[in-house]
Amino acid sequence: AQSVSQHNHHVILSEAASLELGCNYSYGGTVNLFWYVQYPGQHLQLLLKYFSGDPLVKGIKGFEAEFIKSKFSFNLRKPSVQWSDTAEYFCAVIPSSGNTPLVFGKGTRLSVIA
Amino acid sequence: DTGVSQDPRHKITKRGQNVTFRCDPISEHNRLYWYRQTLGQGPEFLTYFQNEAQLEKSRLLSDRFSAERPKGSFSTLEIQRTEQGDSAMYLCASRTQSGSIQYFGAGTRLSVL
Repeated sequence: AQSVSQHNHHVILSEAASLELGCNYSYGGTVNLFWYVQYPGQHLQLLLKYFSGDPLVKGIKGFEAEFIKSKFSFNLRKPSVQWSDTAEYFCAVIPSSGNTPLVFGKGTRLSVIA
Repeated sequence: DTGVSQDPRHKITKRGQNVTFRCDPISEHNRLYWYRQTLGQGPEFLTYFQNEAQLEKSRLLSDRFSAERPKGSFSTLEIQRTEQGDSAMYLCASRTQSGSIQYFGAGTRLSVL
């Protein structure tokens, strides 16, 4: 069964700092990868996804993620965070074939301070 | 609002009581998923439906849990004889059969006293 590991439980950054959140997954086959974001009091929203092709994917609000197959990683990045990026970020994986459900990491809470 | 809606948003109950939650998926989505999220964890899969058929259940879903989707539209999740350990956020998500993106509702937060 696949699993997802997010390295950082809580990250605190100042506005304009650069962000990188780690995500590693374990699964031997081809996967689809996702980053979801949960703003305080709101529902989970898709930030970006990778299915195939260019391993550098761009999402909403200036976020991007890079799929490195050899490292089983899908790290999330943003060059300059804003206070409004304060949220919880979840990495998720699903095998490309089959109908298994999403497997989520434990999440990383990002706090951006002015 | 044409997103996934869940009702109620919050439920407080006493241990031993039964509770039922409802999820209305996006109208053209025939796949519906239930997840549970506890503090400090990501969502954990509970069960999913394709139309009215329940196709998979997680080991997390004890005998006290039951889910239905009788007409292939909305779904209900019932927990019988609630325990304090059932306190969590219960999330519903839906997607089309061919799609790969799940869309989530705001969740129902259950507190068992």
